[in-house]
Amino acid sequence: GAVVSQHPSWVICKSGTSVKIECRSLDFQATTMFWYRQFPKQSLMLMATSNEGSKATYEQGVEKDKFLINHASLTLSTLTVTSAHPEDSSFYICSAPDAGGGNEKLFFGSGTQLSVL
Amino acid sequence: GQQVMQIPQYQHVQEGEDFTTYCNSSTTLSNIQWYKQRPGGHPVFLIQLVKSGEVKKQKRLTFQFGEAKKNSSLHITATQTTDVGTYFCAGLGGNQFYFGTGTSLTVIP
Repeated sequence: GAVVSQHPSWVICKSGTSVKIECRSLDFQATTMFWYRQFPKQSLMLMATSNEGSKATYEQGVEKDKFLINHASLTLSTLTVTSAHPEDSSFYICSAPDAGGGNEKLFFGSGTQLSVL
Repeated sequence: GQQVMQIPQYQHVQEGEDFTTYCNSSTTLSNIQWYKQRPGGHPVFLIQLVKSGEVKKQKRLTFQFGEAKKNSSLHITATQTTDVGTYFCAGLGGNQFYFGTGTSLTVIP
């Protein structure tokens, strides 16, 4: 099946620094990627939809200046958490739909655990 | 906005018992998908349902899509310890997937 690679798997940073998370579709092209945030034992909260070559679509309540999304190619989307604070600590996970065979299932990256000190 | 609720939030069962999780959307869905997330892992696609009233089976797992395309269920027969994890439904509304709140299943050997 399709593979989505997410990097890094975990990161610890100081408050005020920025952190970039990469999400790559390895064997298929993804014009769209979704970024989710997940708190422990909770569901995945859709943050934004990343669109190749255009601006990302953010969900209500998600600060676009805080969570910068870039989707510069058909295989790479990045999420940058700017000026991170402890409340930004969370599990961030990306996914991309693969419409091969008419079945648009989501393939997920392995996630990034962000801890802001 | 779109809301997808699941019940129960948590379920503990003895190995061999059956398990069911229910998914309800506030709006009609184009399709519904089910994912399983093992502890510490990422969600993995299980199945997609598209048609009203559709029923699909995967070994011990039975998936149903409601007639109104606003609810769905996942039933596991004779649970095994390998079934442990959180099960999420995800509804396609417009061009976005909205995940349910999830049901965490614990299977007691």
